[in-house]
Amino acid sequence: DVKVTQSSRYLVKRTGEKVFLECVQDMDHENMFWYRQDPGLGLRLIYFSYDVKMKEKGDIPEGYSVSREKKERFSLILESASTNQTSMYLCASSLWVVSYEQYFGPGTRLTVT
Amino acid sequence: KQEVTQIPAALSVPEGENLVLNCSFTDSAIYNLQWFRQDPGKGLTSLLLIQSSQREQTSGRLNASLDKSSGRSTLYIAASQPGDSATYLCAVRRSMYSGGGADGLTFGKGTHLIIQP
Repeated sequence: DVKVTQSSRYLVKRTGEKVFLECVQDMDHENMFWYRQDPGLGLRLIYFSYDVKMKEKGDIPEGYSVSREKKERFSLILESASTNQTSMYLCASSLWVVSYEQYFGPGTRLTVT
Repeated sequence: KQEVTQIPAALSVPEGENLVLNCSFTDSAIYNLQWFRQDPGKGLTSLLLIQSSQREQTSGRLNASLDKSSGRSTLYIAASQPGDSATYLCAVRRSMYSGGGADGLTFGKGTHLIIQP
């Protein structure tokens, strides 16, 4: 079974803090993705990566950056957390082949106060 | 820009009924369409994946169809059970050439399904 894990289920941070959300997959997938989910807005793509050290902006990259130093790990970074970044963050992975499905982690609910 | 719409937003039916969830998308240039289930406060569980060249996929009591030319997909759930209660999400994998955020999924806002015992 594909397994995608996220470092925290719940996280509370203060405005202005630097926040790291970690995602690890164990199936040697090339592609990894970060989404955020908000009531009324659904899931939206923040960033994705198709290889180590490679990244592409999604639909809402502002205020975020990412890091992929190893194939199995993809980190989402909030350089200076703000209250409008309070959300559920979901990580996903898939094989490089575009026909392959995406597998999601359990999510991290981040609250910025 | 691709937009995905799911109708209805919420649905409540008695146990045992067959039901249909609808998904429509505006740009037919997709690689595939994926149906997910999400339980409250949890991540997404993949239910069915339909490639753009396919018409339907089946898994147990679930059947998903795809009409790419008209931009529509349906998820059919047979003999519904209380354990089917969840939010169902439809997502399309965009073409690499559609520009802007060249990969990833575009999601609908989901159908919140309640199966009454």
